[in-house]
Amino acid sequence: DAKTTQPPSMDCAEGRAANLPCNHSTISGNEYVYWYRQIHSQGPQYIIHGLKNNETNEMASLIITEDRKSSTLILPHATLRDTAVYYCIVRVARNQGGKLIFGQGTELSVKP
Amino acid sequence: EAGVAQSPRYKIIEKRQSVAFWCNPISGHATLYWYQQILGQGPKLLIQFQNNGVVDDSQLPKDRFSAERLKGVDSTLKIQPAKLEDSAVYLCASRPNSDYGNTIYFGEGSWLTVV
Repeated sequence: DAKTTQPPSMDCAEGRAANLPCNHSTISGNEYVYWYRQIHSQGPQYIIHGLKNNETNEMASLIITEDRKSSTLILPHATLRDTAVYYCIVRVARNQGGKLIFGQGTELSVKP
Repeated sequence: EAGVAQSPRYKIIEKRQSVAFWCNPISGHATLYWYQQILGQGPKLLIQFQNNGVVDDSQLPKDRFSAERLKGVDSTLKIQPAKLEDSAVYLCASRPNSDYGNTIYFGEGSWLTVV
């Protein structure tokens, strides 16, 4: 079963920051937090991942709380093309295969 | 760098017929995954390969689903006989094996409709 809890849907105004929360209270010390998104009729697209520290790349920022029980994905300037389902995933430890177990995700709607 | 390739992109079959999906992972990627995604749900792992060996097939309905990766490169997922509830997108994904932190990349998926 997925180890994460996300709100089923969120809205965001175009040009504003989108902050997508995720709870993962049972995460283990060696498990990573991954974020993927899926635009309709496409395969999941990797966004970012992290273990303990905050991470930033050209797509987004990932903020992980100090106790690692929750995280937030930040899209700094959302555009209409960011409308998608966003999945927060705790990746299974390496000695268990390192697979991704998806939950239901958050459907983000960016509105003009 | 070429991505994960899948074919066919779309397939419609009648129940009790068979179907096969093909996946060519990113060059050099040792680990390959097949996921099933039913409309409105997140992807569910069916099987994981490490080179040509099966690492995890605990969620694969083995009475009707089979998968192989004979030479450790491309892979085939087969369904025989198909049921209505098999209507879904079948996603293939791959990653390099050298580092646990490596990213998993997905293909565009093969859409199956069973009528």
